[in-house]
Parts: sequence; C-alpha cells; structure tokens
Amino acid sequence: DVKVTQSSRYLVKRTGEKVFLECVQDMDHENMFWYRQDPGLGLRLIYFSYDVKMKEKGDIPEGYSVSREKKERFSLILESASTNQTSMYLCASSGRNTYGYTFGSGTRLTVV
Amino acid sequence: RKEVEQDPGPFNVPEGATVAFNCTYSNSASQSFFWYRQDCRKEPKLLMSVYSSGNEDGRFTAQLNRASQYISLLIRDSKLSDSATYLCVVNKGWGTGFQKLVFGTGTRLLVSP
Repeated sequence: DVKVTQSSRYLVKRTGEKVFLECVQDMDHENMFWYRQDPGLGLRLIYFSYDVKMKEKGDIPEGYSVSREKKERFSLILESASTNQTSMYLCASSGRNTYGYTFGSGTRLTVV
Repeated sequence: RKEVEQDPGPFNVPEGATVAFNCTYSNSASQSFFWYRQDCRKEPKLLMSVYSSGNEDGRFTAQLNRASQYISLLIRDSKLSDSATYLCVVNKGWGTGFQKLVFGTGTRLLVSP
C-alpha cells in the first residue's frame, strides 16, 4: 500500500512564525498535492507538483509556498503564519497509473 | 457556483436502512469520478470509483449520469460503521496520467442502532 507520511499530527505556532509542513510518500508517485480542510468549505487545493522541482498554484496559494527537491518529498511553507491559517492540512499523492489520491493522516495546525 | 455540490446532511438512518447520496458537478469535460469516505478527524480514503455503467462493491452502488452531470452513491443495509462523511470527487485533470481532483464538501451520514 502507498504510504503518505506527514511529519506532525498536531502543531501549535505563533503568529508571524515560519512554518514547515513535511510530506513524504514511498511509492514513487509523480504527483503530490497540498490541501487545507475547513468546516463547511471542504478540501481546498493550495499547491501541487507533478514532477521534481515543478510546482503549480492551486485555488488558494496566497500566504503559502512549496518545495519539491526530491520526488518523494513535498513541503508546504507558511512564510509568516497568521491565525486564518489555522486548519487541517492534508498532503496527497498519485501516480500515472493510479486511481484517485492517497492522503496522509493530516496535520492540524493552530496559529495563536 | 461550486464545481461539485453535495447536500451536507446529516442523514440520520437506522441500522439496516438504505440511504442514497447525490452530487452534481459543473464541468462537463470531467473524465473520472470517485466517492471518498472520511471518518471524523481522519484523512479521506478512496471508497470507490464511479463508472458510467454503474458499479457495485458489496453494499455500495455508484451511478453516473453524464447528461445530467449527476453522481450518486447508494448504501444498502447500513451498518453503524458506515457513519462517516462521504465526499463526491471529480477529476478535472488533463491528458493521461494526471489527475486533478475536485472535492465536494461532503455528506455526513449517521447510522443509529
């Protein structure tokens, strides 16, 4: 089974801090995604990557950046955390011959 | 208008009941469709793909109506363990091998004893 691992299950950060969320997948998938999920708004795509060093903006990229230096790792960066970035962050991956995405277990980030 | 729309529920049903969820999507060029299940405070997990001819997986049946841009999920003989949020998902990716999934906000199901 594909495993997508997110480095932290819960994080509490202060406003203005730089925050790194890490995601690693072990099935050599080409595509990786970062979503945030909020009550009533569902999953919203922040950024995605379809190859090493490639990145594309999703629907809500403002306030975020990403890094994909290696195929298995996709990092989400909050340059200066704000309280409205308090959310559940979900990483996902998919391959060329797979159906759907496989998600990591999520990181619940609280910015205080 | 949202790209994928679902009734948020909750649907409250007794064990053993049959329940159906519907979903509509706006992009007629969408190529593939899925239902995901999400338990409380957990990540979404793929429940089943949805094919034009309809497909069944045990107690679960999925249907797609391309003309009406409508997807459904039927659950027969509901179990307590079916309590979860069900996400309707549409692929708006391009070419072969790249999927860009759009998720509905989900329909919450509560099955009671």
